[in-house]
Amino acid sequence: DAGVTQSPTHLIKTRGQQVTLRCSPKSGHDTVSWYQQALGQGPQFIFQYYEEEERQRGNFPDRFSGHQFPNYSSELNVNALLLGDSALYLCASSLPGGDEKLFFGSGTQLSVL
Amino acid sequence: DQQVKQNSPSLSVQEGRISILNCDYTNSMFDYFLWYKKYPAEGPTFLISISSIKDKNEDGRFTVFLNKSAKHLSLHIVPSQPGDSAVYFCAASRYNDYKLSFGAGTTVTVRA
Repeated sequence: DAGVTQSPTHLIKTRGQQVTLRCSPKSGHDTVSWYQQALGQGPQFIFQYYEEEERQRGNFPDRFSGHQFPNYSSELNVNALLLGDSALYLCASSLPGGDEKLFFGSGTQLSVL
Repeated sequence: DQQVKQNSPSLSVQEGRISILNCDYTNSMFDYFLWYKKYPAEGPTFLISISSIKDKNEDGRFTVFLNKSAKHLSLHIVPSQPGDSAVYFCAASRYNDYKLSFGAGTTVTVRA
């Protein structure tokens, strides 16, 4: 049983560019959350998708957007990249309807130069 | 606004001894608390949780204690093993809120 998979594992972009990160949830999970983990900090909640809609959003600007597909996979898009967007982006899935016990992927390490 | 705080960035403990990790929170609306463990190049994995209606939850070598009046929880690992060397995150949530608020993590090193 595959867990949460994320792609790519590493990415290097320059300021002003746009990036798309992808996530496939664990089998049987329908809820996907995205977190940003900056160096030396804990993960910060970006948003959660359920039934193909953004159910809740954290304190992130509109440059951060997402999408959930009918197969429950999800994308995170970041526009107009800033140096401060450099971080590990974690995708997490959970049981139907949402559950506090999140299953995390290994993350995408984004570096903005 | 950091609502969950782990004030000890690191902890070193000898194999076989007890590891005690501490976590404080400021939001009295939090009613569910979790500990996650993270190895390098891997995502965090769920370790143990506790509801606010309890003050202790035990799972094998791991025990979480919750002191609501002090807004404090701790994770005890007994006995500590080399495989326990990792970063441990404390997290909290509240009813009808789908996000987890995480602390900054404590790096545990278990010495042989």
